[in-house]
Amino acid sequence: AQTVTQSQPEMSVQEAETVTLSCTYDTSENNYYLFWYKQPPSRQMILVIRQEAYKQQNATENRFSVNFQKAAKSFSLKISDSQLGDTAMYFCAFNTNAGKSTFGDGTTLTVKP
Amino acid sequence: DTGVSQDPRHKITKRGQNVTFRCDPISEHNRLYWYRQTLGQGPEFLTYFQNEAQLEKSRLLSDRFSAERPKGSFSTLEIQRTEQGDSAMYLCASSFRPAEQFFGPGTRLTVL
Repeated sequence: AQTVTQSQPEMSVQEAETVTLSCTYDTSENNYYLFWYKQPPSRQMILVIRQEAYKQQNATENRFSVNFQKAAKSFSLKISDSQLGDTAMYFCAFNTNAGKSTFGDGTTLTVKP
Repeated sequence: DTGVSQDPRHKITKRGQNVTFRCDPISEHNRLYWYRQTLGQGPEFLTYFQNEAQLEKSRLLSDRFSAERPKGSFSTLEIQRTEQGDSAMYLCASSFRPAEQFFGPGTRLTVL
């Protein structure tokens, strides 16, 4: 069974600064996908960024980038130039492209003005 | 709006009552998923459909829970004889490819 661990329940960052959220996972699969989702307070969960395990290049989406270390089973999210609208709960998730996703318990990020 | 929709958005019920939730996926998506999310936790997988076939069910889905997807379009999740422990957000997601799931806004269930 796959597990996803987010060891930082809460984090905060000053507006315009950079913050990194950590995620580790455990699997015996070789081909899989990793995701970061954002869930603002009382709002819908949206996909921030995804990474295919077979790709060595780290995914980037505007201010969001990942550091994917396959051997270490680590998948961190870096948010550059943090904005107030980035305040949300962030979930790391894993999927083998066979169906269900497995989620971590989330990191609550607060961006301070 | 062509995203995943869920109805109702909120449901308050008394212990022992039955409730039913509906999910309408993105129209071209053949896969549909149900997850449950309790406060401060990540979503937990409940069940998954490909077209009208229910392909996987979690052990979390007790015999009080049943899900259907007739005709491979919308899906319903029914909880019979609700318990206070059923209080949670019930999330629906759909996808064309398994690894790219789009979530709906969820149905928040409160069991009194």
